[in-house]
Amino acid sequence: QQQVKQSPQSLIVQKGGISIINCAYENTAFDYFPWYQQFPGKGPALLIAIRPDVSEKKEGRFTISFNKSAKQFSLHIMDSQPGDSATYFCAASSTGGSEKLVFGKGTKLTVNP
Amino acid sequence: DAGVTQSPTHLIKTRGQQVTLRCSPKSGHDTVSWYQQALGQGPQFIFQYYEEEERQRGNFPDRFSGHQFPNYSSELNVNALLLGDSALYLCASSLVANSPLHFGNGTRLTVT
Repeated sequence: QQQVKQSPQSLIVQKGGISIINCAYENTAFDYFPWYQQFPGKGPALLIAIRPDVSEKKEGRFTISFNKSAKQFSLHIMDSQPGDSATYFCAASSTGGSEKLVFGKGTKLTVNP
Repeated sequence: DAGVTQSPTHLIKTRGQQVTLRCSPKSGHDTVSWYQQALGQGPQFIFQYYEEEERQRGNFPDRFSGHQFPNYSSELNVNALLLGDSALYLCASSLVANSPLHFGNGTRLTVT
C-alpha cells in the first residue's frame, strides 16, 4: 500500500522554467511533510518541509504548497537551473517530525540548459 | 565537520549469507535511523535507534536487526539474505528523534 503517491515520475524543464512536483496522501494522521533532493551516488538531502498549520512555505527558489482538505502538497522550483537536475522525493510522517518517514517513489527532474 | 559516514560503500553477498553494515552519525547527533532504497524507489524506513535502544520499527522482518553503540554509531545486520534484499541501505542521523535527518551516501548491497 503506497501511502504517499508522487507524480510525475519524470520531468523535463528548460532552464529558467518552473518545475512542479505533486504528492497526495491518504493518512490524515500525517503532520509533517518534507521534500528531499537526491543526486546520483548520494544520500537524500532535506530541501524544505511544511506542517499542516500553514498552506505555503518558501525558501529561496523552493516553495511548498499544502492543501489539507485535498490531502495534497506540491513542490515548486522557480527559475530552474541545470544544477537542480536530481531526483526529488516527497515524504510524510505522523510523528510531528522526521521519525518514521514514508517516502514517495520519486521524480527525476532534468533541467535542460 | 564530518557528516554521516557509512561503510562499506559497496558489498556483494550470496543468498543465505549474513551482512553487517556500519554507520557513524554526524558529529553531535545521537539518533540513527536506517532506510532501504530499492532501485527506482523511495527510501523505506527500517528502524530507529536512540540511547542504544530500538525506538521505532518499520514493516521489515526479524531478519533485519540493529545495534547502537555508546558512541552513537550503529550497525544494521541482515540474516538469511534474499535476492530482494538487494538495495541501497541508507543511514540517517539526527540530533534528537524528530529533528531533520542527515543521510549518508549509503551502502549498495547486491545479493546474488
